[in-house]
Amino acid sequence: SQQGEEDPQALSIQEGENATMNCSYKTSINNLQWYRQNSGRGLVHLILIRSNEREKHSGRLRVTLDTSKKSSSLLITASRAADTASYFCATDGNQFYFGTGTSLTVIP
Amino acid sequence: DTEVTQTPKHLVMGMTNKKSLKCEQHMGHRAMYWYKQKAKKPPELMFVYSYEKLSINESVPSRFSPECPNSSLLNLHLHALQPEDSALYLCASSQDLAASGRVSSYNEQFFGPGTRLTVL
Repeated sequence: SQQGEEDPQALSIQEGENATMNCSYKTSINNLQWYRQNSGRGLVHLILIRSNEREKHSGRLRVTLDTSKKSSSLLITASRAADTASYFCATDGNQFYFGTGTSLTVIP
Repeated sequence: DTEVTQTPKHLVMGMTNKKSLKCEQHMGHRAMYWYKQKAKKPPELMFVYSYEKLSINESVPSRFSPECPNSSLLNLHLHALQPEDSALYLCASSQDLAASGRVSSYNEQFFGPGTRLTVL
């Protein structure tokens, strides 16, 4: 059964703005990953954060992890039209699973 | 080469047909996966192979039959599918599984572009 919830389900912003999406999970995890999926295509791995890390950066991406709240957030700074995609968190509680996803639209 | 390829890109089949989806990777990865993804939903894990042996079957109906002929190839044989099986089928690979034999959230998975399957 689905154990990861993401919000918002959909997000629409102007180019140049920041986008924040959140992932919540139910059980203890080892690591958490974020993936991007362009419409109808395969997923691309963005970043991994370990359970003993609180924050991680990669280019315009910033990921935080709060294990006490069982949640993670992905921040994309200075968004571009090419960032338009669906974003999924993925982790392993009792089993490996993807979150429900956030559909991001960046308007040029 | 960090690419996972899948063929065909699109497939339309009747409920009585037999067809196969193919996946290939040349990254030396020992774990390969099949996922099913419905529109606006996350990918759902179907099968996982590790070192060419079936490690995980997520209670998938027998009308889906996976096969791993060698370490680079993964097939999904389809027979007597239902219209509700229409979806995007994604193949992925990773270095390996966790020591426990479970899918690890540490290993990056590399995904193919998927096969869009329509069952009439």
